Amino acid sequence: DIQMTQSPASLSASLEEIVTITCQASQDIGNWLAWYQQKPGKSPQLLIHSATSLADGIPSRFSGSRSGTQYSLKISRLQVEDTGIYYCLQRYSNPRTFGGGTKLELK
Amino acid sequence: QVQLQQSGAELAKPGSSVKISCKASGYTFTSYYISWIKQTTGQGLEYIGYINTGSGGTNYNEKFKGKATLTVDKSSSTAFMQLSSLTPDDSAVYYCARKADFDYWGQGVMVTVSS
Repeated sequence: DIQMTQSPASLSASLEEIVTITCQASQDIGNWLAWYQQKPGKSPQLLIHSATSLADGIPSRFSGSRSGTQYSLKISRLQVEDTGIYYCLQRYSNPRTFGGGTKLELK
Repeated sequence: QVQLQQSGAELAKPGSSVKISCKASGYTFTSYYISWIKQTTGQGLEYIGYINTGSGGTNYNEKFKGKATLTVDKSSSTAFMQLSSLTPDDSAVYYCARKADFDYWGQGVMVTVSS
């Protein structure tokens, strides 16, 4: 199975700050990576698909990038509503595998 | 609007089975696969498998073969997952999700296995 190593596990940041979360794939997965946000008691919500494409209705302050087998999610200006847990997912091969999650809190 | 409405919480005894549902609306059901995902505090998110809603074909994560059985009823636009031989390790929230990117998710079903 492809391992997705996500970092950091937790993060505390201030309003308007730039936040970056990364996922390292254990092998080449091309652009077959997605990012999700999950709020307490809710289902995950798709933010980014195909490594860099913004999902419908997602604010433009979210962006995704790729460098080799390292993928990043960037929040350009952190807002209150951006707190939650973020996950990456590789869908290059079955079984799909998720990163361990990053808990993002406001400082 | 696209919705995936899942069935209610389940309390089950060890060794028993449960069958949870995921009813789709707002799009052509047979156009997209439905996947199932398990979420626990300890293991995070785990992919169980998917079902081709048009053909009924399935693909399972090896870890869940023999544990989960995915089926579909096209007439009611509903996907089902049966979990068998339940143990406390099967206690989790189970989600259904649409398409390869999991662009829409159900609200989740909490399954609790306890004697």
